[in-house]
Amino acid sequence: EPEVTQTPSHQVTQMGQEVILRCVPISNHLYFYWYRQILGQKVEFLVSFYNNEISEKSEIFDDQFSVERPDGSNFTLKIRSTKLEDSAMYFCASTPGQVFRQPQHFGDGTRLSIL
Amino acid sequence: AQTVTQSQPEMSVQEAETVTLSCTYDTSESDYYLFWYKQPPSRQMILVIRQEAYKQQNATENRFSVNFQKAAKSFSLKISDSQLGDAAMYFCAYFTSGTYKYIFGTGTRLKVLA
Repeated sequence: EPEVTQTPSHQVTQMGQEVILRCVPISNHLYFYWYRQILGQKVEFLVSFYNNEISEKSEIFDDQFSVERPDGSNFTLKIRSTKLEDSAMYFCASTPGQVFRQPQHFGDGTRLSIL
Repeated sequence: AQTVTQSQPEMSVQEAETVTLSCTYDTSESDYYLFWYKQPPSRQMILVIRQEAYKQQNATENRFSVNFQKAAKSFSLKISDSQLGDAAMYFCAYFTSGTYKYIFGTGTRLKVLA
């Protein structure tokens, strides 16, 4: 069964550095998402992306964050200047076109640790 | 505001027994979907079961079933014949066609006792 793949599985970065989290959604999916889960807390929506633009973003997704689909297969989340509170598990997800009739397929997540 | 509430931070069940995890939600939408996701220690998010709000019949997937009470805005998950591999965090999630995001509850940690 096709899967959403995320790399790296664990990223350790110094505070203030830029980090890029990578995701390869399922190939025929059209909607892409990033979620964040701070340790011990619930999963929170960050951003959704369709047709090469952001569909919706949460309050968490401030100017430090950006997303892009640079080559038609990868879907990346960039944090420009990381803070300690950015330490979390980041999940990528994707759905086919009929978004509300299909469950989102999640990747295994990237654990981001900011030192 | 759309919210999802899981009032049980932790539950325990004996192996082979049945356990029910609770979830309530608040919405003014009529067309929405509800999901249960399982998150084992590896922290993957695994879809367990989903329910379309327009369907009156409760969804079932093998040992997993839901009790969907639309008027009460309640969506509980029943796990029958619990197995050690069922031990995980379980998240209830709400999704509406009016938005492009899941709203998750705070999760219930399920422990399965041998």
